[in-house]
Amino acid sequence: ETGVTQSPTHLIKTRGQQVTLRCSSQSGHNTVSWYQQALGQGPQFIFQYYREEENGRGNFPPRFSGLQFPNYSSELNVNALELDDSALYLCASSSGRLMNTEAFFGQGTRLTVV
Amino acid sequence: DQQVKQNSPSLSVQEGRISILNCDYTNSMFDYFLWYKKYPAEGPTFLISISSIKDKNEDGRFTVFLNKSAKHLSLHIVPSQPGDSAVYFCAARGGVQGAQKLVFGQGTRLTINP
Repeated sequence: ETGVTQSPTHLIKTRGQQVTLRCSSQSGHNTVSWYQQALGQGPQFIFQYYREEENGRGNFPPRFSGLQFPNYSSELNVNALELDDSALYLCASSSGRLMNTEAFFGQGTRLTVV
Repeated sequence: DQQVKQNSPSLSVQEGRISILNCDYTNSMFDYFLWYKKYPAEGPTFLISISSIKDKNEDGRFTVFLNKSAKHLSLHIVPSQPGDSAVYFCAARGGVQGAQKLVFGQGTRLTINP
């Protein structure tokens, strides 16, 4: 067990709705990264937060946004959901800005958009 | 633009034999390579890594080889055990506006047959 927990584990939303996914980081970790894993693909980097500020972003539109809180837990928000947003969303926590061997992934949130 | 590629979607190996998983990359700026293992309904779990300045790293039954000139790395598992059956992801660390994101391959499903 990694100590990184995500909620909810499964979620079904309707196209056009908004969704908030949550991640509780491993104790002592101040960096969180979010990834989207579509079926049959590897995880794709969405963005990273370091000490409550966005610290890099992948090729995702602005309707994907995030927050990191003082206790280093994090949220991923997606507005105006599209069918293609259906995927497994993973968060990974680490200490410091470098994604190295000490990055731990949560079990993921399975989002289905209908 | 797939910077990290795992060209074999699946691999089947007999228990006790060697499993060899392959990964190719295109970006020469990657400085660190990692292998993750993923079971269903769980997040990726770190397995082994290698720095771009090395050509081999060994940890028990797992060895990763890096050929920088060919932009190729491989994971060797010897001997293979039934518990090794999982999806294996190759990942490379690269910078995005200061963030060290991980770029993942598509994954290879390894099945170890008794």
